Amino acid sequence: AQTVTQSQPEMSVQEAETVTLSCTYDTSESDYYLFWYKQPPSRQMILVIRQEAYKQQNATENRFSVNFQKAAKSFSLKISDSQLGDAAMYFCAYKRAGANSKLTFGKGITLSVRP
Amino acid sequence: GAGVSQSPSNKVTEKGKDVELRCDPISGHTALYWYRQSLGQGLEFLIYFQGNSAPDKSGLPSDRFSAERTGGSVSTLTIQRTQQEDSAVYLCASSWGPSSGGFQETQYFGPGTRLLVL
Repeated sequence: AQTVTQSQPEMSVQEAETVTLSCTYDTSESDYYLFWYKQPPSRQMILVIRQEAYKQQNATENRFSVNFQKAAKSFSLKISDSQLGDAAMYFCAYKRAGANSKLTFGKGITLSVRP
Repeated sequence: GAGVSQSPSNKVTEKGKDVELRCDPISGHTALYWYRQSLGQGLEFLIYFQGNSAPDKSGLPSDRFSAERTGGSVSTLTIQRTQQEDSAVYLCASSWGPSSGGFQETQYFGPGTRLLVL
């Protein structure tokens, strides 16, 4: 079975600084996707970034980028130039490739941003 | 276009009552997923629909839980004889469906229904 581990329950960052959120996963599959979702207090899960396992290049979306280490099964999220609106819970998620597959989530990390 | 919508936003019910939660996916999305988010268990998968069929019901916690999808669109999750441990946020997500590819397989979530069983 696939597992996703987020070992840091909370992190804090100063506004305009950079923060990295860690995630590790375990799978025997070779084709899969990894995601970071953001959940603010409104509880709406918002897609932050997606990484295809077959791609060697790390995904980037504006201030958000990932460090994908396939051999180490590590998938960290870097947030640059942190903003107050980045404060939320962040979930790392795994999905086996193929439509009939669910997302498996980590326990999440609460990120606070200090003004 | 419009995102995934869910109703009601909040539901308070008494133990033993039945509740129905509704999900309206993004137009054109053929895959629909239900998840449950609770403090003790985190985010758990409940059921997956492809069109009107449910090829994966493995996450439903008991036979009190059922779901259906009609017209390949709206889905209803029904919890019968609710228990206090059913209190959670119920999230619905949709995606394009069976075509492979990161874009097609990305799931987009609704705002959730917060269920409180007294």
